[in-house]
Amino acid sequence: DAGVIQSTRHEVTEMGQEVTLRCKPISGHDYLFWYRQTMMRGLELLIYFNNNVPIDDSGMPEDRFSAKMPNASFSTLKIQPSEPRDSAVYFCASSLNLWETQYFGPGTRLLVL
Amino acid sequence: GDSVTQMEGPVTLSEEAFLTINCTYTATGYPSLFWYVQYPGEGLQLLLKATKADDKGSNKGFEATYRKETTSFHLEKGSVQVSDSAVYFCALSTSDRDDKIIFGKGTRLHILP
Repeated sequence: DAGVIQSTRHEVTEMGQEVTLRCKPISGHDYLFWYRQTMMRGLELLIYFNNNVPIDDSGMPEDRFSAKMPNASFSTLKIQPSEPRDSAVYFCASSLNLWETQYFGPGTRLLVL
Repeated sequence: GDSVTQMEGPVTLSEEAFLTINCTYTATGYPSLFWYVQYPGEGLQLLLKATKADDKGSNKGFEATYRKETTSFHLEKGSVQVSDSAVYFCALSTSDRDDKIIFGKGTRLHILP
């Protein structure tokens, strides 16, 4: 298996622009997670899905952030409008269930100018 | 609420030294416990895990024992190598009344040759 795929490793955008991050989980995994990592705040769980349904989005920082999972093999995290403080590394992870190992993608490093 | 507390870093050791990174948790029910490792520029990957009290997880010379009486899951290695330099995250997941996945803040480890 190819693992969790985050095909974009680096994304640079300007403040106010919309940015969409993409993730393909491991086939057969029912859970998908989005995390944000910064030096100041560490690793933060933003949202997770079970069978394509959002279960807990309490970590989403504000309404500018939204996530979707239209099918079992694809998820997006959108920031609109983006701000410089959104600059971070965004990780996607998937797992068979909540108490099993999470498999992380390589992350997308977002820079908002 | 549920939480994970791990020792703050950075931790700096010489090669072949003994390593302990402390991790304690609070949780209702019976969580699964994990140690993940993040090498520079990469996503997190599972190092070891334990799913019930007194279980010992081990991998690559690292060990951690699930201690319910002290609510701890300390990571140990008898002789560290330069290649062990990374950030280590303790985590728990529960699937009792409320599904939760919680990561500690991470401990950065530097091993000097």
